[in-house]
Amino acid sequence: GAVVSQHPSWVICKSGTSVKIECRSLDFQATTMFWYRQFPKQSLMLMATSNEGSKATYEQGVEKDKFLINHASLTLSTLTVTSAHPEDSSFYICSARDGPQSSYNSPLHFGNGTRLTVT
Amino acid sequence: KNQVEQSPQSLIILEGKNCTLQCNYTVSPFSNLRWYKQDTGRGPVSLTIMTFSENTKSNGRYTATLDADTKQSSLHITASQLSDSASYICVVSVWEGGNKLTFGTGTQLKVEL
Repeated sequence: GAVVSQHPSWVICKSGTSVKIECRSLDFQATTMFWYRQFPKQSLMLMATSNEGSKATYEQGVEKDKFLINHASLTLSTLTVTSAHPEDSSFYICSARDGPQSSYNSPLHFGNGTRLTVT
Repeated sequence: KNQVEQSPQSLIILEGKNCTLQCNYTVSPFSNLRWYKQDTGRGPVSLTIMTFSENTKSNGRYTATLDADTKQSSLHITASQLSDSASYICVVSVWEGGNKLTFGTGTQLKVEL
């Protein structure tokens, strides 16, 4: 079945540094990928929608200059947390739509998440 | 405001027992409803997806129902196993110039011996 690979699975970084998280669709082309963050015992919160070849669409309250998203190919999207601070520590998850954007029933496959800890 | 509410918030059952999780939504216009299973520290895995015209859909021991009139869905787990311990998330899709998803807060299920 379709697989979405997310890397790294966990990362620890110092405050002020930047961290890049990769999300790859392994056996399908994903014109649209999504990035979420999840705090303990809470549900996923959509941060941004990433469309291949165009700028990402950010949800209200998400700083686009802090969370840089690049979707340069149909199988890869990256999220870079710039100048990370301890409050950015969270579980970041990506998902990829397997099918056209116009199809509302397209399967949505999730990566296994990245645990970011900023010290 | 589009909302998805799940109940109970948490549930503990004995192995082998059945259980039913609830999802109520106020999303409009409704597109589809998905149930996901999320193990701790992992990404969600799809269990079922239903459109407004579907009343029930099964995936092994998981059976989801949908009542689009009352805007309610349930996920029934039969003969629970220890590996069913996870968070179960109801996700409702609204068609607003594209497919937007609204996530429920999940039901944390624990299956014990």
